Amino acid sequence: NAGVTQTPKFQVLKTGQSMTLQCAQDMNHNSMYWYRQDPGMGLRLIYYSASEGTTDKGEVPNGYNVSRLNKREFSLRLESAAPSQTSVYFCASEMAAGNTIYFGEGSWLTVV
Amino acid sequence: AQSVTQLDSHVSVSEGTPVLLRCNYSSSYSPSLFWYVQHPNKGLQLLLKYTSAATLVKGINGFEAEFKKSETSFHLTKPSAHMSDAAEYFCVVSAMNYGGSQGNLIFGKGTKLSVKP
Repeated sequence: NAGVTQTPKFQVLKTGQSMTLQCAQDMNHNSMYWYRQDPGMGLRLIYYSASEGTTDKGEVPNGYNVSRLNKREFSLRLESAAPSQTSVYFCASEMAAGNTIYFGEGSWLTVV
Repeated sequence: AQSVTQLDSHVSVSEGTPVLLRCNYSSSYSPSLFWYVQHPNKGLQLLLKYTSAATLVKGINGFEAEFKKSETSFHLTKPSAHMSDAAEYFCVVSAMNYGGSQGNLIFGKGTKLSVKP
C-alpha cells in the first residue's frame, strides 16, 4: 500500500548541478502536483499535471521543469540548482480536483 | 481568487486543555476545505475535509472543524490536547480553475501547535 513515493529523500547539490526528483503513485490518480515548503511560507505549488500528457505552471515554476511520464509518474527537474532552491519538496496526487490529496513523505534538498 | 489565512502562526496549550486553530478562507464559490497535519520531518497527513455535506466535520485523532459560510471560517478544534498533537497544521482550500485549468490546493502558512505537559 505505497500511495505516493518520492525519491530521493535527501540530496545535497552544488550550485549549478542538475538533478531530478522522482514521484510515483499507485492509486490511479489523474492529477499530480509538485510543491515546495519553506519555513513560514506553507506549501507553494511549483507545477501540476491535471492528467496524463498535460502539465501547467503553478505559483513558483521558475528554475524547474516537469515531465508527466505516464499516469503513475511525475518528475521534477532542476536544470541548474541555486541556493534559493534549498527546500523540502512534496509530490502529491488526487483522483480529481476537490478529492482527497495524498502526499509523499518529502524530499529534503540542500543546494550549497 | 481563492485564499486561506491562518490567524495564528503559533498556538501553545497545556495537555488536557482544548485546542482551537483558526482559519479563514476566501472563495468565489463553494469550496472544498481541508486540514492537514505535519509532524516534524514528516509528510502531510489529512485530518479532515469539508465538501459541502455536513458543516461539522469529524476527523482523525479527535479533531473536528466547523464550516461557517457566513463567517468564511473553518476552525479546527479538539476538546483535549495530547502531547502527540504537537505538530504543524495547515488549512487548505481546493481551488478550481487555477490559471484557467484544473484545480489545485491553496495552503495557509501553517500554525505550529505546542503542547505543554
